[in-house]
Amino acid sequence: EDKVVQSPLSLVVHEGDTVTLNCSYEVTNFRSLLWYKQEKKAPTFLFMLTSSGIEKKSGRLSSILDKKELFSILNITATQTGDSAIYLCAASNSGAGSYQLTFGKGTKLSVIP
Amino acid sequence: DAGITQSPRHKVTETGTPVTLRCHQTENHRYMYWYRQDPGHGLRLIHYSYGVKDTDKGEVSDGYSVSRSKTEDFLLTLESATSSQTSVYFCAISGNRANTEAFFGQGTRLTVV
Repeated sequence: EDKVVQSPLSLVVHEGDTVTLNCSYEVTNFRSLLWYKQEKKAPTFLFMLTSSGIEKKSGRLSSILDKKELFSILNITATQTGDSAIYLCAASNSGAGSYQLTFGKGTKLSVIP
Repeated sequence: DAGITQSPRHKVTETGTPVTLRCHQTENHRYMYWYRQDPGHGLRLIHYSYGVKDTDKGEVSDGYSVSRSKTEDFLLTLESATSSQTSVYFCAISGNRANTEAFFGQGTRLTVV
């Protein structure tokens, strides 16, 4: 059974702190690792990683994938209150013409002023 | 934003009644998915579709059925709603190639009383 595990499940930090969110996966026919941010409504896409060791960066957020050790991290530097959200990690697989995403339970990040 | 519309956005129904949720997309994407999101469980895949009339079960498919008669519409039916199906339901779509991100609809909050 495919599995994605995120840690920690929740985290409280002060504005300006740097945080690292973890995601490990065990997925048959792994294709890619995706990160989403979810505030009050629908998850919004952040990154998709397919190759090991290549960092993807968007502003204060960055992510990297290790396909040998089967994990990914999401870093947020200089956190702001607007970063408060649930961060979801998902692993995609493919087989028999289909393409699925398996999600972790998410990390709830709270950034306090 | 990707063109995904879920309807209804909120629904309260009684135990034992049938309920159908609709997902409509204007992106002509091949893959469509139904997820449910519950506290402590994250996003769990109910059913997915990889083309017109091509559907398959996900992790938590018991009590649910789906249909896809047109590329743009993916329906989720609860044949006889139960209180355990109270949840937030998200539809997602992804493109026609592997390694494309999934985009989510705004969600449907379903309460079964």
